[in-house]
Amino acid sequence: AQSVTQLGSHVSVSEGALVLLRCNYSSSVPPYLFWYVQYPNQGLQLLLKYTTGATLVKGINGFEAEFKKSETSFHLTKPSAHMSDAAEYFCAVSDHSGANNLFFGTGTRLTVIP
Amino acid sequence: DAGVIQSPRHEVTEMGQEVTLRCKPISGHDYLFWYRQTMMRGLELLIYFNNNVPIDDSGMPEDRFSAKMPNASFSTLKIQPSEPRDSAVYFCASSLGGAHGYFGAGTRLSVL
Repeated sequence: AQSVTQLGSHVSVSEGALVLLRCNYSSSVPPYLFWYVQYPNQGLQLLLKYTTGATLVKGINGFEAEFKKSETSFHLTKPSAHMSDAAEYFCAVSDHSGANNLFFGTGTRLTVIP
Repeated sequence: DAGVIQSPRHEVTEMGQEVTLRCKPISGHDYLFWYRQTMMRGLELLIYFNNNVPIDDSGMPEDRFSAKMPNASFSTLKIQPSEPRDSAVYFCASSLGGAHGYFGAGTRLSVL
């Protein structure tokens, strides 16, 4: 079974500072990992995903995440926060057995302080 | 493409009434997913379809919930009768051949 833990339901950073949102997963099979962003009153938008291959994945809006199997982690980072990054971020995991079921974390709300 | 289109955006109804949520997936996508988002439980997959066929409905909370996909461009999620605990944001997502979906803007349901 797959599950995701996002440490910190709220994260605040200053504009221009490093963004680090933590995600740890549990999976009995090699996982597919995803980060989504949700702006207020909108649906989820895919930021990036890891399936196989290179463990450092680059996504949209300057975000990237690194798959670390030994740590069962897939933390999301961005070198310099922008005001427009304020949103809720969800980490998700699925397996590639054909189940096509995404298991989401509880989300992390990012606040960017001017 | 206009993306995944959900209607209505907001629905307010009284307990016991039937509620129908609608979704138009992205053209050409072969998977369609219905999710529910609440503060208490986060995002939960309710059901998903592949080529209009329901594949996994294990997330549907109870028999009051039903979903159909009569063709590749339309799906409905119906709640009958509705209860206050069904109040949530319901998302539809579609994808081509995979789990990661393109989400609609959601329907915010309030059952009074």
